[in-house]
Amino acid sequence: DTEVTQTPKHLVMGMTNKKSLKCEQHMGHRAMYWYKQKAKKPPELMFVYSYEKLSINESVPSRFSPECPNSSLLNLHLHALQPEDSALYLCASSLNFIETQYFGPGTRLLVL
Amino acid sequence: QKEVEQNSGPLSVPEGAIASLNCTYSDRGSQSFFWYRQYSGKSPELIMFIYSNGDKEDGRFTAQLNKASQYVSLLIRDSQPSDSATYLCAVSQPGTASKLTFGTGTRLQVTL
Repeated sequence: DTEVTQTPKHLVMGMTNKKSLKCEQHMGHRAMYWYKQKAKKPPELMFVYSYEKLSINESVPSRFSPECPNSSLLNLHLHALQPEDSALYLCASSLNFIETQYFGPGTRLLVL
Repeated sequence: QKEVEQNSGPLSVPEGAIASLNCTYSDRGSQSFFWYRQYSGKSPELIMFIYSNGDKEDGRFTAQLNKASQYVSLLIRDSQPSDSATYLCAVSQPGTASKLTFGTGTRLQVTL
C-alpha cells in the first residue's frame, strides 16, 4: 500500500485568511515533502522533512509554514497568501530521504 | 543549473503502438531516475524507477537508462487510450537524494 492522503481536496481562501493543509501516511515513511504545482508546470519542491525534522526549505516565503507533528503527519499552514499562490499543493512521502517518493492526491488551492 | 529536459509534445501514437518518451539530464552525477504519470488535474503517479544502466521492464512499461549519454527513456508497449497523460521524468540530485528535479513533462495522446 502506497497511500498518502491529503485534506482538504479543494480550498478557497482570502488573502487575510489562515488555513492549513494536512497530509497523512501510514506506511512508516520517514521523509515527507511539500510541493507546489502550477498548471502545465512540473512540481516544485517547497519543504522536506526527514525523521520529523525540517531538512530542506527551498527559500519558501514565510507565509507558508510547515509542521511535522509526528512521523505520519505533515501540515502546511497558510497565512496572508497572494493570488499567485493559487496552485495544486502536493504532499509526498518516501521510506527515507533517498527512496522513491509517492504523491498524495493534492489540495487545489485558490486564493482570492 | 541542473536540468532535466523533455519534449513537451504532444506525442501522438495510435492505439496498440509503442510510445517512446525521452528525457535528458545535465548532471552526470545523478543516480536515481523516475517516471511519473500525471493525468490532467490529478497528482503524479509513479510508473517506474531505474538506478542502473540498461533496461528495466514492468508489464507494458520499459525504462531505459544510459548514464554515458545522460538520457533515460520510457517505452510503453501496446499503448491504450488510458495511457494518455503527461509523463514526468524526475532525476535525483547527487548528494541530496531527497531533491528531485523534474522535467517539464511530455504529453502523450493515444488515438483510437
